[in-house]
Amino acid sequence: AQSVTQPDIHITVSEGASLELRCNYSYGATPYLFWYVQSPGQGLQLLLKYFSGDTLVQGIKGFEAEFKRSQSSFNLRKPSVHWSDAAEYFCAVGVEGKSTFGDGTTLTVKP
Amino acid sequence: DAGVTQSPTHLIKTRGQQVTLRCSPKSGHDTVSWYQQALGQGPQFIFQYYEEEERQRGNFPDRFSGHQFPNYSSELNVNALLLGDSALYLCASSRQSVPDTQYFGPGTRLTVL
Repeated sequence: AQSVTQPDIHITVSEGASLELRCNYSYGATPYLFWYVQSPGQGLQLLLKYFSGDTLVQGIKGFEAEFKRSQSSFNLRKPSVHWSDAAEYFCAVGVEGKSTFGDGTTLTVKP
Repeated sequence: DAGVTQSPTHLIKTRGQQVTLRCSPKSGHDTVSWYQQALGQGPQFIFQYYEEEERQRGNFPDRFSGHQFPNYSSELNVNALLLGDSALYLCASSRQSVPDTQYFGPGTRLTVL
């Protein structure tokens, strides 16, 4: 069975600073990989996804993620964080329509 | 184009009661999945419906059941509610041809007292 680990429960960055959120997955093959963002009390919004091909994928809101097979990682990055990026971020693995999520990373943005 | 909609937004029930949550998928989508998100955790897969049948199921007891209608909308039913069933219930829709690209609704917040 697949699993996802997000090692950082909470990250605080200053507005304008760069951001990297870590995600490691466990699965026998290369799965579909996703990053979602969730604002308080809201549903999940898809930021980006990786199915195959180029290992660096671009998403919405200036986010990107890099798939590294050797490290079983799919880290999310943003070069300059905005205050509106404060939210909960979830990494997920998709296998045949069933998604398995990590427990999320809470991002706080300092002014 | 309407996205995934869920009703109600919030719900308060007492232990032992039964609850029904509803979901309308995004236009053009034929597959509906349900997830439970407890406070401070990531969503957990409950089950998935396609062609009015349960296709996959996660590690949830039989108290959790569902239904999909011919118009692809879906219901999640939970019987004999426990305090631990308090959570945000998320519905996600997709096309069976691209099952892993799921679009999520805003969720229903269930509180069991």
